[in-house]
Amino acid sequence: NAGVTQTPKFQVLKTGQSMTLQCAQDMNHNSMYWYRQDPGMGLRLIYYSASEGTTDKGEVPNGYNVSRLNKREFSLRLESAAPSQTSVYFCASGDRVRNQPQHFGDGTRLSIL
Amino acid sequence: DQQVKQNSPSLSVQEGRISILNCDYTNSMFDYFLWYKKYPAEGPTFLISISSIKDKNEDGRFTVFLNKSAKHLSLHIVPSQPGDSAVYFCAARGYNFNKFYFGSGTKLNVKP
Repeated sequence: NAGVTQTPKFQVLKTGQSMTLQCAQDMNHNSMYWYRQDPGMGLRLIYYSASEGTTDKGEVPNGYNVSRLNKREFSLRLESAAPSQTSVYFCASGDRVRNQPQHFGDGTRLSIL
Repeated sequence: DQQVKQNSPSLSVQEGRISILNCDYTNSMFDYFLWYKKYPAEGPTFLISISSIKDKNEDGRFTVFLNKSAKHLSLHIVPSQPGDSAVYFCAARGYNFNKFYFGSGTKLNVKP
């Protein structure tokens, strides 16, 4: 069981470059989420998708876009990367209907120079 | 404005003793509370949860207590083991929305 798979695990970008972070889950969960983790800030929600075909903004959506490609996949795009977006990004999936907790991937460590 | 707060960035406990991690929240509409454990270079792992209709939930060495009037959540680990050393996040979900809010984490160090 892979659970939640994120790619890539590490990436270094230059300011202004674009990049898409990929996430896939194999638990048949309806909801998927993107978070960023910064020192002393915990996990902050960027975007989420309650179900296939829907996406909504979280606490810190500026500078990001998302696509819920199908039930399994949820991608996060940085159109023009900025140093303030240097962070660890976590994807998660869950199922509110079944009151299941979120399951997380192992993260993407992104540095923007 | 943080809706879920963990005011202790770190906690150090001797092996075999009790670890108590605390969490406060501000939104009375939260109906589901969780604790996650995170090791370096890994994603958070679900540990234990509690619904707002309960005030206690146990799972082995882990017990979560919920005090709704105080808007306070705590995680007790008894007995603490060195393998419990990790960062612990509390999280909360609202009744009528699909978002989770996380605290900033408490780093637990269990000394052998």
